[in-house]
Amino acid sequence: QSVLTQPPSASGTPGQRVTISCSGSSSNIGRNTVNWYQQVPGTAPKLLIYTNNQRPSGVPDRFSGSKSGTSASLAISGLQSEDEADYYCAAWDDSLNGYVFGTGTKVTVL
Amino acid sequence: EVQLVESGGGLVTPGGSLRLSCAASGFTFSSYSMKWVRQAPGKGLEWVSSISSSSKNIFYADSVKGRFTISRDNAKNSLYLQMNTLRVEDTAVYYCARVIGDYPDYWGQGTLVTVSS
Repeated sequence: QSVLTQPPSASGTPGQRVTISCSGSSSNIGRNTVNWYQQVPGTAPKLLIYTNNQRPSGVPDRFSGSKSGTSASLAISGLQSEDEADYYCAAWDDSLNGYVFGTGTKVTVL
Repeated sequence: EVQLVESGGGLVTPGGSLRLSCAASGFTFSSYSMKWVRQAPGKGLEWVSSISSSSKNIFYADSVKGRFTISRDNAKNSLYLQMNTLRVEDTAVYYCARVIGDYPDYWGQGTLVTVSS
């Protein structure tokens, strides 16, 4: 079972801004950096945001990440149809001595 | 170009064993930690195991501890996951992933393991 909690779904029309939350605890998000992954169904996850708010080369600046205390969030501005996917937050957990993922959020472009 | 190619998945009966492999190319394999992550059908991502570049540090999720063994052969640019005493709930797509710091950056395409009688 996931120790990071995300809303199961989020949606918006093209051009809108969508925000996804990720709630953790002092042993994971509270002490370590947060990363975000995008997964189009049937394909492998892709790194979207690392170290809380950094974008890998090739990721559009429409995607941004932030962290505060034991929570983090991913924002998608200027939503596009190709952004329809599942999104997962993740962080190292010092108590579990393992890497934990969020429950996942399915983003739908209306 | 970084490439990770998993193999070894398939159908196995409960209690059986399977060995997954991950062939790495396009980067200096011996310099990176690696992880195995799985995804049950229709479910989210679950970290399975991690191994440091020299194999000195190894970690397992509680759900697989004592049953799975991660290993690597830096001379062969390969990562492995030996899975014993498999359970129905181990059914999933298994991904290998390269690690930067503590997070996966590149992922393979995955290999499906089905545990069923």
